[in-house]
Amino acid sequence: ETGVTQSPTHLIKTRGQQVTLRCSSQSGHNTVSWYQQALGQGPQFIFQYYREEENGRGNFPPRFSGLQFPNYSSELNVNALELDDSALYLCASSLPAQANGYTFGSGTRLTVV
Amino acid sequence: KNEVEQSPQNLTAQEGEFITINCSYSVGISALHWLQQHPGGGIVSLFMLSSGKKKHGRLIATINIQEKHSSLHITASHPRDSAVYICAVRSSGTSYGKLTFGQGTILTVHP
Repeated sequence: ETGVTQSPTHLIKTRGQQVTLRCSSQSGHNTVSWYQQALGQGPQFIFQYYREEENGRGNFPPRFSGLQFPNYSSELNVNALELDDSALYLCASSLPAQANGYTFGSGTRLTVV
Repeated sequence: KNEVEQSPQNLTAQEGEFITINCSYSVGISALHWLQQHPGGGIVSLFMLSSGKKKHGRLIATINIQEKHSSLHITASHPRDSAVYICAVRSSGTSYGKLTFGQGTILTVHP
């Protein structure tokens, strides 16, 4: 049974650029959610994908978008990067039933300069 | 006021001490999670609770649904327990699995 893998682990981008972060879900999990964790803060929910459709979204602007693929892996895309987008981006996979837990990846550390 | 509040924000202990971290929440929940985050950033799930108490090794987690409060206890603490401990709740008001996180408690255990 594999865990959740995120890539890349670290990334430096320039303000205004676009970035794509990737996440593979744990085997058997069909739901992936993404979180943004600013330094010293708890993670904030960005959105969730279930069976290739976005089925929940937090308070993030449309320049944060995502995809989920048939193998349940997922991408987070951020356009027009701003300095405040610098954060640790975490993904978590799960099964949709509320009784199930989550498996988290190690995160991608994004720095916008 | 945040929906999930943890206390204390920082905790320093000597090896062997009994540690308690508290979590209060203000929304109806279907589950509460205790998570551990090490300096590299990766998060490990410790417990998922909807009622009562769970124990795993030296870790014990309790929840009181009526009081909207949970505690994480570490017995016989060890320097390797040093990490950020985060409480997160899954709201019963959403059909999807959004987690709302506390700010975390930074635990440092000295030898």
